[in-house]
Amino acid sequence: NAGVTQTPKFQVLKTGQSMTLQCAQDMNHEYMSWYRQDPGMGLRLIHYSVGAGITDQGEVPNGYNVSRSTTEDFPLRLLSAAPSQTSVYFCASSYTRGGTGGSPLHFGNGTRLTVT
Amino acid sequence: AQTVTQSQPEMSVQEAETVTLSCTYDTSESDYYLFWYKQPPSRQMILVIRQEAYKQQNATENRFSVNFQKAAKSFSLKISDSQLGDAAMYFCAYRSGSSNTGKLIFGQGTTLQVKP
Repeated sequence: NAGVTQTPKFQVLKTGQSMTLQCAQDMNHEYMSWYRQDPGMGLRLIHYSVGAGITDQGEVPNGYNVSRSTTEDFPLRLLSAAPSQTSVYFCASSYTRGGTGGSPLHFGNGTRLTVT
Repeated sequence: AQTVTQSQPEMSVQEAETVTLSCTYDTSESDYYLFWYKQPPSRQMILVIRQEAYKQQNATENRFSVNFQKAAKSFSLKISDSQLGDAAMYFCAYRSGSSNTGKLIFGQGTTLQVKP
């Protein structure tokens, strides 16, 4: 059981380049999400999905796109990288949005992205 | 909007001693969940403990326990018999029981140093 798998672990981009951060989970979780972690700010929600074919914006969605074609996968696309997107990105999943049972989020190991 | 505040950016404890990390939150909801996550230098986000707001009993997981004061909106983490492996950044987080986003709202984090 791999849990939540994120690739790559590290990435350096030039301003204006695009790329996709991959996320896959094998726990049959309905809910998946992307967070970014910046110093002194904790983690902030970028986008989330409550099931295949359904996505929505979180707190800081600008500059990012997501899709959810399968239950397992939830890639995050940076359309035109900017230095402000330099951050650590986490994918996380859970059984529900946080309703009954307060299903905790399971996190991937993160991707450190640097945009120069 | 809900907020989570960790007022101690850094804490230190002697190995085998006890330390308490503080967390306060603000919400008008009655249905919610609180979490403590540990982030070691490996960057992995590890769930330490979870508390349901409707439960008065404080959650406990081995050497980790919480002091949940619902009226005061306080959720502190106590680590007993501290070990070198406890050195990490600790995040307090809030999750609504009824939100559509399933968002975890994080505090800014507390870096815990364990001295041998």
